[in-house]
Amino acid sequence: DTAVSQTPKYLVTQMGNDKSIKCEQNLGHDTMYWYKQDSKKFLKIMFSYNNKELIINETVPNRFSPKSPDKAHLNLHINSLELGDSAVYFCASSQEGGRVTDTQYFGPGTRLTVL
Amino acid sequence: AQKITQTQPGMFVQEKEAVTLDCTYDTSDQSYGLFWYKQPSSGEMIFLIYQGSYDEQNATEGRYSLNFQKARKSANLVISASQLGDSAMYFCAMRFGSARQLTFGSGTQLTVLP
Repeated sequence: DTAVSQTPKYLVTQMGNDKSIKCEQNLGHDTMYWYKQDSKKFLKIMFSYNNKELIINETVPNRFSPKSPDKAHLNLHINSLELGDSAVYFCASSQEGGRVTDTQYFGPGTRLTVL
Repeated sequence: AQKITQTQPGMFVQEKEAVTLDCTYDTSDQSYGLFWYKQPSSGEMIFLIYQGSYDEQNATEGRYSLNFQKARKSANLVISASQLGDSAMYFCAMRFGSARQLTFGSGTQLTVLP
């Protein structure tokens, strides 16, 4: 019944490794997002896909690469992990009808710790 | 520049009392959406309530209401009859104009006291 799910919930890894986070939504939404929440709890958009097409690509190191195999899935791959990548990564989804009140629903978050 | 300000890093409220969490914003867009999210200590982000800039009536959702004052550029969240489970971080967020992403404020940590 989970609307937006993410795996894994926790990820602990060494610097320099490559890791992926997966996101799936069963809400039938056409748009998905990745947000990063830093240690001060500040949330910022990273990427967004609409029907498998990348529509938002904020200033993020190119070590981060999103992929959307279909509109229900959005994955985030991170190469050569750095200490500063430690954060909570949230996936979200929305059904975009061109309204400013189109609501985004968030997954439970993935806490990434880079040692 | 588009900016959201939550001036209260932390708030305390007695159980069963009402509390107002402040949110002000700065934008030149005429069309925008205002949202509030709750993040409990377990970490998930829970959508609470929204309001569009053209909505004339303040939004309400159960014990949550949004006190929208367009001229003052404020969108405060009012929680009535606070419960212990309301203790959490609360984020004000907005969609500006045609942008799809949410821009977030810095959050307010609410603690409900028994």
